[in-house]
Amino acid sequence: QVQLQQSGPGLVKPSQTLSLNCDISGDSVSNKTAAWNWIRQSPSGGLEWLGRTFYMSKWFRDYQLSLKSRLTINPDTSKNQFSLQLRSVTPEDTAIYYCARAYFDGSGYYFDYWGQGALVTVSS
Amino acid sequence: DLQMTQSPSSLSASVGDRVTITCQATQDIINYLNWYQQKPGKAPKLLIYDTSKLETGVPSRFSGSGSGTNFTFTISSLQPEDVATYYCQQYDNLLQFTFGPGTRVDIK
Repeated sequence: QVQLQQSGPGLVKPSQTLSLNCDISGDSVSNKTAAWNWIRQSPSGGLEWLGRTFYMSKWFRDYQLSLKSRLTINPDTSKNQFSLQLRSVTPEDTAIYYCARAYFDGSGYYFDYWGQGALVTVSS
Repeated sequence: DLQMTQSPSSLSASVGDRVTITCQATQDIINYLNWYQQKPGKAPKLLIYDTSKLETGVPSRFSGSGSGTNFTFTISSLQPEDVATYYCQQYDNLLQFTFGPGTRVDIK
């Protein structure tokens, strides 16, 4: 059974960097049939995919195009986790942040395991 | 950018009713479409993947179909525990994942 456990601060000041970690158990961050994602949900309820990292002979990263300049997602094989860094945050980045595994079954990707979610508020 | 729309945005139905939600894309979805259920305070839960495949452990009253730009999600007999918001999601050739805006389902 795959489990994802998120950690990180719940309050970040404007212009600073939001940092979250997602610990993986029951799978490996290097699993070639999976991608490791960050998704957020705004107070209005919409789900927004932020980006992913995955291993296919080397490490790849894909980002939401509108956030690409502020986002970094990194794997950590020694800790079997992956992280999110979102720079220069504003109150509009206030959301519930989820980590999630996207499994590739040969046809497409789907998010089959999710972290518990973490509310991150951007406020001074 | 590929955009997703869902209709209706909300619905109220009686226990036992058949409920149908549609998801429309602004361009053909070459990869498959997935459906999720989200209850308040919880992470989304995968129900249907690859357009019509039922995730393990999900009741058979849930189903999905469609192709091209038009997809459908159906609950054949609505149960009280199905009260939730439902989202469609796709993965496009620009390596972007996109969710629909969601459909809230309540019991009448």
